[in-house]
Amino acid sequence: DVKVTQSSRYLVKRTGEKVFLECVQDMDHENMFWYRQDPGLGLRLIYFSYDVKMKEKGDIPEGYSVSREKKERFSLILESASTNQTSMYLCASSTRSYGYTFGSGTRLTVV
Amino acid sequence: AQSVTQLGSHVSVSEGALVLLRCNYSSSVPPYLFWYVQYPNQGLQLLLKYTTGATLVKGINGFEAEFKKSETSFHLTKPSAHMSDAAEYFCAVSLGNLIFGKGTKLSVKP
Repeated sequence: DVKVTQSSRYLVKRTGEKVFLECVQDMDHENMFWYRQDPGLGLRLIYFSYDVKMKEKGDIPEGYSVSREKKERFSLILESASTNQTSMYLCASSTRSYGYTFGSGTRLTVV
Repeated sequence: AQSVTQLGSHVSVSEGALVLLRCNYSSSVPPYLFWYVQYPNQGLQLLLKYTTGATLVKGINGFEAEFKKSETSFHLTKPSAHMSDAAEYFCAVSLGNLIFGKGTKLSVKP
């Protein structure tokens, strides 16, 4: 089974901190994605990557950046965390045949 | 542009009753369509997907969905609800990246 592992299930950070959310997949998938999930808004795409060192903005990239130095790892970076970034963050990976596999999510609280 | 509309943010059914979760999409060409389920404090799990071919798609846990191009719909059904089906369900469309609906929370009453 493909596994997508997110390094933390729960995180609490202070306003203004730099926050790293890590995601690792173990099946050599080309594509990786970061979504945030908020009640009533569903999942919204923050950034995605189709290859190493490649990144594209999704629908809500403001306040975030990403890094993909290795194929299996896709990191989401909050440069200066704010309270409106309190959310559930979901990482996913896929092949070109449209199979998405999701991690268990990181619930981030910014205080 | 693609979009997905899920009718009803909350649906409640009795155990043993039919489950019907509605999904309509907007796309200029027939997209790939998906249903995902999310149990509390977990990630999303693929229930079923339609890419090409047979329009009635069977998934895991007894769920199925039918792609109706004329109605631009991909409704999810299950003949008999179980307590374990209580979760949030997301419809998604793809011509590239996945675009999700806002989700429908299913409650199952004993």
